[in-house]
Amino acid sequence: DSGVTQTPKHLITATGQRVTLRCSPRSGDLSVYWYQQSLDQGLQFLIQYYNGEERAKGNILERFSAQQFPDLHSELNLSSLELGDSALYFCASSVGIGTYEQYFGPGTRLTVT
Amino acid sequence: AQSVTQLGSHVSVSEGALVLLRCNYSSSVPPYLFWYVQYPNQGLQLLLKYTSAATLVKGINGFEAEFKKSETSFHLTKPSAHMSDAAEYFCAVSVASGGSYIPTFGRGTSLIVHP
Repeated sequence: DSGVTQTPKHLITATGQRVTLRCSPRSGDLSVYWYQQSLDQGLQFLIQYYNGEERAKGNILERFSAQQFPDLHSELNLSSLELGDSALYFCASSVGIGTYEQYFGPGTRLTVT
Repeated sequence: AQSVTQLGSHVSVSEGALVLLRCNYSSSVPPYLFWYVQYPNQGLQLLLKYTSAATLVKGINGFEAEFKKSETSFHLTKPSAHMSDAAEYFCAVSVASGGSYIPTFGRGTSLIVHP
């Protein structure tokens, strides 16, 4: 158990819908990262937040957005969903923004039908 | 930009045999390198990391990796495979970008262990 929690574990929704994925980092970790894992693209970095502020952006679509709240939990919002958005979405946390190792949550499996 | 290549999407070994998973990286600056393991239906777990100290890095579960700058490689090894080692293994490279270190992951190598 990494100490990172993600909800829900599974999500099935239809095209065009909007969903919110939630992540709680390890106690004491200030940095949260979101990743998308699919068979096509592998593991892709989406976005990083540190202590409530966006710090780095990767291959995140404009239909996707995220935020980190004062209690440090984070939410990833996916809108206008397409079939190709079906994937595993991982959250990871680390103490800071340097070379600190990242601790991954168990993931949310999103299926868009 | 940095990149990672993992040679072989699948590696099959017998229980007790040597495990060798290959990783080559590309980076214009000194990198930090990581190996992660992913068991079915779980998130990634850090096996080991290289952060410019010793070139031979020991990790959990008996794994180790050697950083070879001249070969731009960071191969993962284990002397004797166990059935419980069957999993997906990811190599990652991380360099500084705007104050953050964001890892770039390889496509992964699935390790299959035969009894």
